[in-house]
Amino acid sequence: DVKVTQSSRYLVKRTGEKVFLECVQDMDHENMFWYRQDPGLGLRLIYFSYDVKMKEKGDIPEGYSVSREKKERFSLILESASTNQTSMYLCASSTRGVETQYFGPGTRLLVL
Amino acid sequence: AQRVTQPEKLLSVFKGAPVELKCNYSYSGSPELFWYVQYSRQRLQLLLRHISRESIKGFTADLNKGETSFHLKKPFAQEEDSAMYYCALSPNTGGFKTIFGAGTRLFVKA
Repeated sequence: DVKVTQSSRYLVKRTGEKVFLECVQDMDHENMFWYRQDPGLGLRLIYFSYDVKMKEKGDIPEGYSVSREKKERFSLILESASTNQTSMYLCASSTRGVETQYFGPGTRLLVL
Repeated sequence: AQRVTQPEKLLSVFKGAPVELKCNYSYSGSPELFWYVQYSRQRLQLLLRHISRESIKGFTADLNKGETSFHLKKPFAQEEDSAMYYCALSPNTGGFKTIFGAGTRLFVKA
């Protein structure tokens, strides 16, 4: 059974803080993804990675960066958090190619 | 441009009634299509995908290339089907991006 875990379920941060969200998968998947989930907007891709140290911008990368130093771990970084980054953040992983994505439980981030 | 449209934000039906969640897509090639579901307090998970042609929990979805649609159907809705449903598209060209619709919340009333 694929397991994708995220470091926090809830986070409260202040404007301007640097925020780290971590995601770990245990199924040796090549692909990993970070999404924002907002009501009425669905899931929007922030960044994805198809291999260690590789990253590609998604649809809304502004204000975010990512790091993938190990195959199982994909980190999302908010360099300077802003209130418009308050959202639910979902991490996902999949095997190579067009395959089913497996999601983590999500991190609800509130930026004050 | 690639796009997935779910025209209904909320769909409310009575238990035992048929249900259809609509999904239309815009893509010039031949995509792979998925339905994902998120039950209350659970993580988002795959419900079914076009290529497998399965029926999962009584749900089916048929790809209509002429109408560029991938509607999700179930003949008799159950209360436990209440959830958020997302239609998603992945280009079949070796890329990794999946495009999600805005989602439809299904509420099945007793």
